Amino acid sequence: DQQVKQNSPSLSVQEGRISILNCDYTNSMFDYFLWYKKYPAEGPTFLISISSIKDKNEDGRFTVFLNKSAKHLSLHIVPSQPGDSAVYFCAASGVTQGGSEKLVFGKGTKLTVNP
Amino acid sequence: DAGVIQSPRHEVTEMGQEVTLRCKPISGHNSLFWYRQTMMRGLELLIYFNNNVPIDDSGMPEDRFSAKMPNASFSTLKIQPSEPRDSAVYFCASSLAGNYGYTFGSGTRLTVV
Repeated sequence: DQQVKQNSPSLSVQEGRISILNCDYTNSMFDYFLWYKKYPAEGPTFLISISSIKDKNEDGRFTVFLNKSAKHLSLHIVPSQPGDSAVYFCAASGVTQGGSEKLVFGKGTKLTVNP
Repeated sequence: DAGVIQSPRHEVTEMGQEVTLRCKPISGHNSLFWYRQTMMRGLELLIYFNNNVPIDDSGMPEDRFSAKMPNASFSTLKIQPSEPRDSAVYFCASSLAGNYGYTFGSGTRLTVV
């Protein structure tokens, strides 16, 4: 059962426009959310995060929005640049069954920013 | 710091053989995670350690998989015997406990033929 879902396997945008990547989750115990970026042949790297007590967190061109009632978060990249082309993973954490905390990842969305 | 170091980068082995993947976490990090990435399932957590102690191994697919962390600077993931369906990229990550900004290694691409 996929607790973190990224329903769009891929997204293509023009340079300078906004990229919006979406993520849904099913576990109401999740209280911390993160986005990771992954280039080919490299491991994922942490990009931005948000706590469940907030609904928005901004870091430069990257903003994450959280809608707890809808169990939905999104990553906005403005303006998009060709160097942003990568796979983006949504991840969530909270105390899970058995009392352990761990990150649960979605399957990823491949973003392509065209010059 | 050199980051999280994984070896080998690529491994090709025949079905039935034993495979050992290695990981050196960032010095000072006390949590270590093994993830597996496949097209079908994305990034799955296999097992994680806090202070060298396995905390949650519920993601380990079956008894053919085992992981150890004999000290704070080294961990292994072993598959014995390996099967073609184990083919995937295996990532190791480390962090300070309670910090979700994991640092991932570059991964080991395993191919079982």
